[in-house]
Amino acid sequence: QQQVKQSPQSLIVQKGGISIINCAYENTAFDYFPWYQQFPGKGPALLIAIRPDVSEKKEGRFTISFNKSAKQFSLHIMDSQPGDSATYFCAASMYNQGGKLIFGQGTELSVKP
Amino acid sequence: DARVTQTPRHKVTEMGQEVTMRCQPILGHNTVFWYRQTMMQGLELLAYFRNRAPLDDSGMPKDRFSAEMPDATLATLKIQPSEPRDSAVYFCASGFGMVNTEAFFGQGTRLTVV
Repeated sequence: QQQVKQSPQSLIVQKGGISIINCAYENTAFDYFPWYQQFPGKGPALLIAIRPDVSEKKEGRFTISFNKSAKQFSLHIMDSQPGDSATYFCAASMYNQGGKLIFGQGTELSVKP
Repeated sequence: DARVTQTPRHKVTEMGQEVTMRCQPILGHNTVFWYRQTMMQGLELLAYFRNRAPLDDSGMPKDRFSAEMPDATLATLKIQPSEPRDSAVYFCASGFGMVNTEAFFGQGTRLTVV
């Protein structure tokens, strides 16, 4: 019940295309859903986050779509660029566990020029 | 430029040796996390502290791992004795607040146990 399942494991997109990464969770107590971006040799960095009281959040080319009833959320990267090539992790946490993040397995995104 | 600093960046050690990893959280942050990253298991939470007190270390093998915060500017993760299966990248992250804290990650310590 604590798991967050992420797909696909890897993704290849052409420059200018849309990258879509999906995550699903079981525990309805989760109330914070961040996405982290990780470049090789670096630590993950927060990209964008959403709470379950909204269905969508957009920041620049990055959008989170959230479906509370289906217990799913996804990251959309519009106009994907080679510089977006990285590993993306979805995560979830619960209010009463003060920031303890449960991560998905990660998606390695490659954007081809 | 506020950032989480981890030392060493790389460590190669022989099985059975003690390993100590250090983390300097961002000044003013009151929450510190230790994560381990492997290809097979992904990012796993080992332990975390708030205001230097351990809140959860359920992800950590208790017989060989220990985590401490001697003061607000230093967190340590020790493995004794180390085993080849401990080979991984260990990340420290820090944050501020009581709930849904954004975690700022360090660059990690790549540990190889031979």
